[in-house]
Amino acid sequence: DVKVTQSSRYLVKRTGEKVFLECVQDMDHENMFWYRQDPGLGLRLIYFSYDVKMKEKGDIPEGYSVSREKKERFSLILESASTNQTSMYLCASSLTLDYEQYFGPGTRLTVT
Amino acid sequence: LAKTTQPISMDSYEGQEVNITCSHNNIATNDYITWYQQFPSQGPRFIIQGYKTKVTNEVASLFIPADRKSSTLSLPRVSLSDTAVYYCLVGDTGRRALTFGSGTRLQVQP
Repeated sequence: DVKVTQSSRYLVKRTGEKVFLECVQDMDHENMFWYRQDPGLGLRLIYFSYDVKMKEKGDIPEGYSVSREKKERFSLILESASTNQTSMYLCASSLTLDYEQYFGPGTRLTVT
Repeated sequence: LAKTTQPISMDSYEGQEVNITCSHNNIATNDYITWYQQFPSQGPRFIIQGYKTKVTNEVASLFIPADRKSSTLSLPRVSLSDTAVYYCLVGDTGRRALTFGSGTRLQVQP
């Protein structure tokens, strides 16, 4: 069965901390995505990766970076967390960019 | 980049057909349209995908007019379990551009 897992369901960090959100997929998918979801704004794409070590910016990359050293793992990094990065973060993977995306359960990050 | 617009919310009753429309005026020739369903505390789940005309699967139909500037997700005979947020996604592999709509909250009542 298809599975995308995220390292934490809930995370509380302090302003200025470096934060790592990890995502792992077991479907051998080429593409992986990071979104943030906020009330009234829907899902907004932060970054995506179409191959190992390859990445592209989405709609809102500012304040974030990503790492994909292995095909199954895609990490989202907040270099210096700020309160406006408090949000739900969703990871997804897909076989191709135009094929259905499989989402993880999400990580609710609170920055205080 | 095709911006999408959906109604914020819709109400329905069990057994009715529900149609949710997504506007995407700037859709490009190679853009595809995908709909997802999301329940609270879960990630979105794929429902249906199409490029033009009509697509049907076991849970929904997707209608796309000739100009492709909008699309309509049709859910036949909804039940209480269809209460969820529905998102349309417009994307193009070539431009590597993916844009989700802001979602439509569907409330199904008995």
